[in-house]
Amino acid sequence: EVQLVQSGAERKKPGESLRISCKASGYTFTKYWIGWVRQKPEKGLEWLAIMYPGDSETRYNPSFRGQVTIAADTSLTTAYLHWSDLEASDTAMYYCVRPTGIAGEGTYYFDSWGQGTLITVS
Amino acid sequence: EIVMTQSPATLSVSPGGRATLFCRASQSISRNLAWYQQRPGQPPRLLIYWASRRAAGVPDRFSGSGSGTAFTLTISNLQSEDSAVYFCQQYNNWPLFGGGTKVEIK
Repeated sequence: EVQLVQSGAERKKPGESLRISCKASGYTFTKYWIGWVRQKPEKGLEWLAIMYPGDSETRYNPSFRGQVTIAADTSLTTAYLHWSDLEASDTAMYYCVRPTGIAGEGTYYFDSWGQGTLITVS
Repeated sequence: EIVMTQSPATLSVSPGGRATLFCRASQSISRNLAWYQQRPGQPPRLLIYWASRRAAGVPDRFSGSGSGTAFTLTISNLQSEDSAVYFCQQYNNWPLFGGGTKVEIK
């Protein structure tokens, strides 16, 4: 069974840095893309970034490029999402997701979701 | 840029009834559409992909149809646990979600 277990909720101040994590299990981590989706009440669901841990190839939503960084540690089968300079507008629920399809070409949906990490910046 | 529009915003249906949810794309996305269910306090769950294929473990009460720009999710024999927000997502050209339809059980 595919499981994506995320780190706990965080409360940070504007300008601070943050890294949240997603521990993957139940499948071969290096053979599937992994990514992050944000959910805000007023903006709905938006994908931020995806990564192929097998070769560290990444794709970013142009709306979020430069604002977040995706990374992965294959030895820990864990993906990360990093902010170097948080803003109040980053307040949201963040989901770790497993894309399925032709992820590198943008043709993918999300077959597995983590439980979510709530980030509050104020 | 593709725009995904879901309707209605809210749907109230009696137990055992049928709910029909609509999702429209501003341009053709072939059959590159997925549907998700999000119960309160839970992450989204994949229900349907390729417009009409049920994901593993999804009851056959859920069915999807459509192609091009118009898609439908039908939930038959509504149960109390179907109370949720349902999102469509196109993946013809990078993922984009619709705004959701909230299904309430009367």
